[in-house]
Amino acid sequence: QVHLAESGGGLVKPGGSLRLSCATSGFTFSDYYMNWIRQAPGKGLEWLSYISSRDNLVSYADSVRGRLTISRDNAKNSLYLQMENLRAEDTAVYYCATSPTHAGHFDFWGQGTLVTVSS
Amino acid sequence: SYVLTQPPSLSVAPGSTARISCGGDNIGTKSVHWYQQKAGQAPVSVIYYDNVRPSGIPERFSASNSGNTATLTIARVEAGDEADYYCQVWDTKNDNCVFGSGTTVTVL
Repeated sequence: QVHLAESGGGLVKPGGSLRLSCATSGFTFSDYYMNWIRQAPGKGLEWLSYISSRDNLVSYADSVRGRLTISRDNAKNSLYLQMENLRAEDTAVYYCATSPTHAGHFDFWGQGTLVTVSS
Repeated sequence: SYVLTQPPSLSVAPGSTARISCGGDNIGTKSVHWYQQKAGQAPVSVIYYDNVRPSGIPERFSASNSGNTATLTIARVEAGDEADYYCQVWDTKNDNCVFGSGTTVTVL
């Protein structure tokens, strides 16, 4: 069955960097758009970025553009998120999620990885 | 940017019908997707493209979308339906996804 597993979260100081990974299995990874979505403690869902299935088209939310970089490796069935210049407000659970089409819905989600930005 | 408005909370009795609204400017012209998030868990898709249920989602879940309001309806509410529910659309002007602020459904 479909499985997504995020990793790479942890405690980082303000201004620091972190790289999140999302390992996937159970579906044809290269057929799907992939997304990063986060949820701050006690708050709602915030979409961050998507990357297209094969031609690496990307889009970012205004709140993170310039500090986050999404990438994927279709040979490894994996998705990545490089985060730079982290701020306290970036503290959240970060989810990866699949989309079967551009501008569609998110049909499968990972369980998330917690990023805490604190000194 | 496009804004989706949901009521923060909704309390319903078991066996009754819950209706969760999602307001947005001409949302009826957009495809609306709905997610359920139980405490401590990742979100799960319950409705996509206005009123399509993923496999495994009970028929009790349905939705509509017209004018400035989309609505998720949960018929014959059960204790297990207690969760946060989020609507979602795509803002094609800036190629960004937009989530509603979420509605906490409490089963009395």
